[in-house]
Amino acid sequence: DGGITQSPKYLFRKEGQNVTLSCEQNLNHDAMYWYRQDPGQGLRLIYYSQIVNDFQKGDIAEGYSVSREKKESFPLTVTSAQKNPTAFYLCASQLAVGGNTIYFGEGSWLTVV
Amino acid sequence: KQEVTQIPAALSVPEGENLVLNCSFTDSAIYNLQWFRQDPGKGLTSLLLIQSSQREQTSGRLNASLDKSSGRSTLYIAASQPGDSATYLCAVKAAEGSQGNLIFGKGTKLSVKP
Repeated sequence: DGGITQSPKYLFRKEGQNVTLSCEQNLNHDAMYWYRQDPGQGLRLIYYSQIVNDFQKGDIAEGYSVSREKKESFPLTVTSAQKNPTAFYLCASQLAVGGNTIYFGEGSWLTVV
Repeated sequence: KQEVTQIPAALSVPEGENLVLNCSFTDSAIYNLQWFRQDPGKGLTSLLLIQSSQREQTSGRLNASLDKSSGRSTLYIAASQPGDSATYLCAVKAAEGSQGNLIFGKGTKLSVKP
């Protein structure tokens, strides 16, 4: 089945640690996105990528990093510089940046312990 | 700066009732507007996408309308069912700049009682 796979579903991070969230899509989409969702809030854009080897900062990129070495993969690293990382992280993809329907993965919960 | 507001924040209705969810946005210069459904602890599923040149879109029991000049969209759900219980979010994409960024509302949490 075509879709977006995020892993792990649940992740716990200790203070000072970097963690990486995986996002893989087999939809042959060029554009990929990372959003953060806090309880009772809408989604906020962290980073997005229009094409392989290219990515742009979103509204809340500080403390996060990404890479786009392959079309189907867009991992997100939450670094120790992110002071309040506990949230629900959603990866999404789109045929191209523009007006097409956007598809979301099932999300990853990150908790700082 | 574009802001998206959804009212009400929560809604509880008996099964079978028709209902309307509201979404308003402050900048009418949008490229499109999407309605999404989110189940607890899950990702978002796109329900309807309305381009800026369109007035409405329909899918099954769902109908979404767009009035760009007044900065409003509504999602109409006919003959609601318990399975419709979820959070519904709307999001707008700006007409220029911001590349791929969608601006989301905080959502309306719908509960349909059997």
